[in-house]
Amino acid sequence: EDKVVQSPLSLVVHEGDTVTLNCSYEVTNFRSLLWYKQEKKAPTFLFMLTSSGIEKKSGRLSSILDKKELSSILNITATQTGDSAIYLCAVYRNNDMRFGAGTRLTVKP
Amino acid sequence: SAVISQKPSRDICQRGTSLTIQCQVDSQVTMMFWYRQQPGQSLTLIATANQGSEATYESGFVIDKFPISRPNLTFSTLTVSNMSPEDSSIYLCSVVEDVNTGELFFGEGSRLTVL
Repeated sequence: EDKVVQSPLSLVVHEGDTVTLNCSYEVTNFRSLLWYKQEKKAPTFLFMLTSSGIEKKSGRLSSILDKKELSSILNITATQTGDSAIYLCAVYRNNDMRFGAGTRLTVKP
Repeated sequence: SAVISQKPSRDICQRGTSLTIQCQVDSQVTMMFWYRQQPGQSLTLIATANQGSEATYESGFVIDKFPISRPNLTFSTLTVSNMSPEDSSIYLCSVVEDVNTGELFFGEGSRLTVL
């Protein structure tokens, strides 16, 4: 059965810390892996990864895909309270998008 | 990127009633999905809304409970039928504009509370 597994499920850090969020997958017809940030209702797009070993970067956030290990990581450096959210990993297949359970990140002042 | 309008934004409903959620996209899109997010949980795919034909439902979701319409490439509705408190969730309409990348755009979501 196809699955997307994220770890940890929740994480509490202090401002300035660096965090690494993990996502592993076992799906058929893999096309891409996407990361989303969800603060209120609708998730907002962060990164889309299709090729192994190529880091995507946006400010303090970065992500990379390892297709051999069927996994991806999302790094956040110098965390801020505004980074507190649920981070969702999703795998795009031929016909749909499967989401992991999410990692709830809490950044304390 | 696609702009998706979803309504209602929120509603409080009585047990046993039904509610229809509308999703309007500002461009024609091939792939449109409906997700549910129960409190404290991640997104679960309910179904893929297919234009001009019956929706494709995921395991655990049935047409009688969640009828979906998609009359054209810019509009879809999801009805939550005979609601119970367990149906209290956020319901999200989403679309894929570029089938090569799979980037998913979301509507604002509809927060339903069933009393």
